[in-house]
Amino acid sequence: QSVLTQPPSVSGAPGQRVTISCTGSSSNIGAGFDVHWYQQLPGTAPKLLIFGTTNRPAGVPDRFSGSKYGTSASLVITGLQAEDEADYYCQSYDSGLTDFHVFGPGTKVTVL
Amino acid sequence: QITLKESGPTLVKPTQTLTLTCTFSGFSLTTSEVGVGWIRQPPGKAPEWLALIYWDADKRYSPSLKSRLTITKDTSKNQVVLTMTNMDPVDTATYYCAHSINSGSYTYYFESWGQGTLVTVSS
Repeated sequence: QSVLTQPPSVSGAPGQRVTISCTGSSSNIGAGFDVHWYQQLPGTAPKLLIFGTTNRPAGVPDRFSGSKYGTSASLVITGLQAEDEADYYCQSYDSGLTDFHVFGPGTKVTVL
Repeated sequence: QITLKESGPTLVKPTQTLTLTCTFSGFSLTTSEVGVGWIRQPPGKAPEWLALIYWDADKRYSPSLKSRLTITKDTSKNQVVLTMTNMDPVDTATYYCAHSINSGSYTYYFESWGQGTLVTVSS
C-alpha cells in the first residue's frame, strides 16, 4: 500500500488532454518535497518523464507537463498520441515512517 | 552517455542470499549530489524503492526491508552491489539499478535506469 495514490487508469482519444493525479499527504508532497514522473512502456524499464515537479529532461516532448498543489501533483499530457499509451508512476520522498523514496501505484493510460 | 547494467542470478532458492551487481558508466559516484539506487518491480506491480548509496558513501534503505539489505560501492570499478538476505517467493521481481540525482533537499530522482534483471525465488 503506497503512501501516494493514483487513479488506476485514464483514457483519451488522440489529440485530447489527460490528467493523472498523484495524491499524498503532509509527510511527502504536502511537505514540499519534489514529485517526479516516469513512463513505462511494456517490457521496458521506467523512463524519467518529469523531475523536480515541473522539469522535463532533454528529449521529452513538451506535451508532458507537471505541477503540484498542496498534497497533490499532476501530470498532464496534452495532444495525446498513440505512443503515449503506457503506465505512469509518480515518485516523491516521504519523511514519515514509510519508505523514504516512494512510488505511486501507477496509472495506465489508454489511447482510444 | 550514462549506462547501467544489472547482473546476478536469475533464480534463487528460498532463504538464500541474493547478490546483485550494478556496473555503470558515464558518471562518477564521487560527484556531489549523485547516487545509485536499487528499485524492484514485481510482475504487474509498481516499482518499489529498495536502497540508495550516495556520492558521499551515505546509505539509505527502505525501512520495511532494511534488516535484509546491504548496499556497497566500489568507485574504482564503477560498481554498486546490493545484497538481500533470506529471499522469499514474494521477492520475485525485476530488479533495477538507477543513476540518481538530487533535485533538492532529500528528493532524489532516478534519471537513468538499467535494463533490469528478473530474479525468481523458487525451490
